[in-house]
Amino acid sequence: GESVGLHLPTLSVQEGDNSIINCAYSNSASDYFIWYKQESGKGPQFIIDIRSNMDKRQGQRVTVLLNKTVKHLSLQIAATQPGDSAVYFCAEKGPGRTGGGNKLTFGTGTQLKVEL
Amino acid sequence: ETGVTQSPTHLIKTRGQQVTLRCSSQSGHNTVSWYQQALGQGPQFIFQYYREEENGRGNFPPRFSGLQFPNYSSELNVNALELDDSALYLCASSWRQGATETRYFGPGTRLLVL
Repeated sequence: GESVGLHLPTLSVQEGDNSIINCAYSNSASDYFIWYKQESGKGPQFIIDIRSNMDKRQGQRVTVLLNKTVKHLSLQIAATQPGDSAVYFCAEKGPGRTGGGNKLTFGTGTQLKVEL
Repeated sequence: ETGVTQSPTHLIKTRGQQVTLRCSSQSGHNTVSWYQQALGQGPQFIFQYYREEENGRGNFPPRFSGLQFPNYSSELNVNALELDDSALYLCASSWRQGATETRYFGPGTRLLVL
């Protein structure tokens, strides 16, 4: 069945360093991937997305890399700041627009802690 | 802010009771989906509504039901509450057409079943 897993439950980085959060997915048919940031007491906040026909996409201070060969996704945060402290989820969406193709499958999350 | 609002923010119910949670979608979004997030876990897909009809459902029993209204606001109803229903319930709105399928989440409703 589908599953999305994260390699590390907790990641601690120094302020100013770059952070890399990894994610493995199992559904090779997934065609859309999203990274969300969730702060305590809040809903998931969209960070960046990528379609399966791409292998890299950049945003402001963030980059998502997709390796379909090994079914791996990563989120890179440049110059990590204290405000980046949160739980980060990767999510995948299957193909199609009905039934199972509508849902996002989330991983369990990685806690990012930024140390001053 | 995502423009998605949910009410109430917190709720306490007892086992066997029924609950209705509400969501107001971001303006212009015609699709709403609901997720259950247990403590320390990622959100789990419950179902999705598009133009007032359910068009996708996760592994949740029929006692989880929903509605989407013409103004695209939505309700999640849960009957015969069980202790394991205690979770954060999230709604997410999106615009179905086009290449963008970004789902914007609301802040959630924290439900505690005693």
